Amino acid sequence: EVQLVQSGGGLAQLGGSLRLSCEASGFTLSTYWMSWVRQAPEKGLEWVANVNQDGSEQYYVDSVKGRFSISRDNAKNSLYLQMNSLGADDTAIYYCARVAWGRYEYWGQGTQVTVSS
Amino acid sequence: DIQMTQSPSSLSASVGDRVTITCRASQNINNFLNWYQQKPGKAPRLLIYSASTLQSGVPPRFSGSGSGTDFTLTINGLQPEDFATYYCQRGDGRIFAFGRGTKVD
Repeated sequence: EVQLVQSGGGLAQLGGSLRLSCEASGFTLSTYWMSWVRQAPEKGLEWVANVNQDGSEQYYVDSVKGRFSISRDNAKNSLYLQMNSLGADDTAIYYCARVAWGRYEYWGQGTQVTVSS
Repeated sequence: DIQMTQSPSSLSASVGDRVTITCRASQNINNFLNWYQQKPGKAPRLLIYSASTLQSGVPPRFSGSGSGTDFTLTINGLQPEDFATYYCQRGDGRIFAFGRGTKVD
């Protein structure tokens, strides 16, 4: 059974940092692109970042470029999102998701990130 | 970047109604268009991929159509469990933008 189990997140101060993790099981992580998607309170889904199978390519939404970093450790079956210089607009539920032919069939359970002054 | 414009942003419907949601891409994305359903407090669920292919386990009252820039999600015979928010998402390239969502209530 494919599972994506997220950890990390929580409360951060304005300008602070957080690291999200997503542990994969039930499939071979190294064969899939992976993404982070977020959802601000009462807002829609926003794609945040993609990483290719070996981590050599990363893509980001403009609003997080230079602040967020997506990475992976296939040996540990894990995906990460390092978030720096956090702002109030980064407050959201963050989901990791497996990419297959441009679609998201499997999602993590979501983790809340709250940025406060 | 390609923008995804979804309409309407919300609609009111009743059980048994036929519901249609549209999604327009700012550039040709061929058939690389996916639809998701999301209920409060839950992760999104893939309904349709490649514009018109029903994901396994999704009831056949859901259907998708379109190609290029204009796409449609149709629910034939709305059921109580279908009251939710629906999102389109482009599946081509390396940036997988979502539409802003349509809330069905």
